[in-house]
This record gives sequence, structure tokens and C-alpha cells, in this order.
Amino acid sequence: EPEVTQTPSHQVTQMGQEVILRCVPISNHLYFYWYRQILGQKVEFLVSFYNNEISEKSEIFDDQFSVERPDGSNFTLKIRSTKLEDSAMYFCASEAADRDYEQYFGPGTRLTVT
Amino acid sequence: GQQLNQSPQSMFIQEGEDVSMNCTSSSIFNTWLWYKQDPGEGPVLLIALYKAGELTSNGRLTAQFGITRKDSFLNISASIPSDVGIYFCAGQPYRNLIFGKGTKLSVKP
Repeated sequence: EPEVTQTPSHQVTQMGQEVILRCVPISNHLYFYWYRQILGQKVEFLVSFYNNEISEKSEIFDDQFSVERPDGSNFTLKIRSTKLEDSAMYFCASEAADRDYEQYFGPGTRLTVT
Repeated sequence: GQQLNQSPQSMFIQEGEDVSMNCTSSSIFNTWLWYKQDPGEGPVLLIALYKAGELTSNGRLTAQFGITRKDSFLNISASIPSDVGIYFCAGQPYRNLIFGKGTKLSVKP
């Protein structure tokens, strides 16, 4: 069964460093998302991406964040200058156009900022 | 912003018992989704609901989309140890999902 994959599974970085989190969505899906989950809290929406552009973003998704679909398979989230409060699980999700609103999540990347 | 109130926060039940949890919102949603999350993993989609009043089953799971479009419930029948985990409701005003805080289910074998 097709699934969303994410790399790395765990990323440790120093405050102020740039990180890139990678996702490979399910191959025939057209909508892509990033969410984050701070330890012990609920999942929070960051950004949605469709047709090579951002369609929605939350207040969390400020100028330090960017997303890109550099080729036909990868979807990336970049944090330019990490802060301690960016430590969280980051989940990528994808959705097929003909199964509206059913978002399938990857296993997540645990980002630890020290 | 929009928030979902999910209850109960946690529950302990005996194996074989039925479980019920629900979500309410002050806003109307177009879609309700229920996810299960195991420790260290991503949320796994259990059931998606699209129409007010819709009742949908997936094995031992049953979920309903409230008539007012502001609430949803999830029932698990005859719980088993592998049902342990955190269950999240998620409402969809547009394309993004708004998640509840989760119901942590623990089953005593």
C-alpha cells in the first residue's frame, strides 16, 4: 500500500542553523501539507501546497519557513534559522484530488534544536 | 482561531468494553476525520465523514457527523489491547485540518 515517507526520522541541530525536512508524498496525490506536533500537544497545521504554490498557511508559518517541490516526487520544508521552540515532530501529509479531504500522514521527523 | 473540544482526555477500559469519544466545535466544518496515533508515529486515518448526519463504520469503529456540523463522535466496540493509542478528531473548514487535543486510550488486558 502506498505511503508517505519522510527523512530524516530524527534531526538534531543547533539554534540558528538551517534545516531541511524531506517528504515523498504518495505518488498520485496532488495536495501536500506540513504539520507540526510539539511533544504532548495536538497536531498543528503549518502550510498547504497545490499546483506548485502555497494555498494556505498558518500564523506559525512565518518568514523563517519555506516549502518547495523541487522535482516530481519530493516535498521539502526549510527552516532558515532554527529556534529552540521549533523543536517538535514535523509531519508531511498528502491528499489525492479524487478523495477530497482524506489526508495521509508520514511517520514524521523529530526535530531537536539545542 | 477555531478550536475543537475533544473529550474525554483519557480513559482506561477493560478489554471487550465499548468506547465512546466525541468532539465539538463552535464553528461548522465541512468534513470530520478521525485519526489514531501510536507513540512516535504519524496519525493514521481511521474514518472520514463528509455529510451532516452521516454514520460510517470501519470494522469495530463507528463514527458520526453531527447534524449541526459542529460535532462528531467515534465509538469503538469490543476494545482489544491494540486499540491503545491517542485518537484525534480533525475538522476541516477549508483544506487544512484543525485537530482536537486527543483522547488517550489505555486498555487493561
